[in-house]
Amino acid sequence: DTAVSQTPKYLVTQMGNDKSIKCEQNLGHDTMYWYKQDSKKFLKIMFSYNNKELIINETVPNRFSPKSPDKAHLNLHINSLELGDSAVYFCASSPYSGRAAGFSYNEQFFGPGTRLTVL
Amino acid sequence: GQNIDQPTEMTATEGAIVQINCTYQTSGFNGLFWYQQHAGEAPTFLSYNVLDGLEEKGRFSSFLSRSKGYSYLLLKELQMKDSASYLCAALDNYGQNFVFGPGTRLSVLP
Repeated sequence: DTAVSQTPKYLVTQMGNDKSIKCEQNLGHDTMYWYKQDSKKFLKIMFSYNNKELIINETVPNRFSPKSPDKAHLNLHINSLELGDSAVYFCASSPYSGRAAGFSYNEQFFGPGTRLTVL
Repeated sequence: GQNIDQPTEMTATEGAIVQINCTYQTSGFNGLFWYQQHAGEAPTFLSYNVLDGLEEKGRFSSFLSRSKGYSYLLLKELQMKDSASYLCAALDNYGQNFVFGPGTRLSVLP
């Protein structure tokens, strides 16, 4: 039943480690996103993929590498974790990736989030 | 540049009406979204405006003025469960990049 799922829900790890967060959507959507929400609650887009192709790559350290094996999955791999990477990471998906009927309507469905704590 | 501004916190009383304002500046514009986010949970979609005017959905309404770069979310007959953060987000010119505001934390008091 879950529309957008992420694993794990909580991740606690040491500085310098490499970790991955997985995301899957069963909504048949074309576009998937990764967001980071920091302690001040700002939600910032990191990456956007449309049909397995990267379409947005905001200013994110190259330690972060998204991977989309198919359009239902968008995983986030993080190398050499730093204290500042501690945040909640949300995956999201949306049905459209551009204009439709003259307007661009792109309601996003969010996953439950992964709380990453780097010690 | 891209910028979204909202008040950080608001307080209102159960049963009252509250208006949460949002101003935006984006490179191109393809619509304005409002999301609700309860503590420890994911954001959930509330409304979408792309044309000027008011969209009403039950107790919630959202307004947009494109010429002013301004939107508001109106919540009527407030309930305790409406205590949450409300995020304003603008969709850019390509229709793919969402720019989120900092969120407004609303506390509904009995």
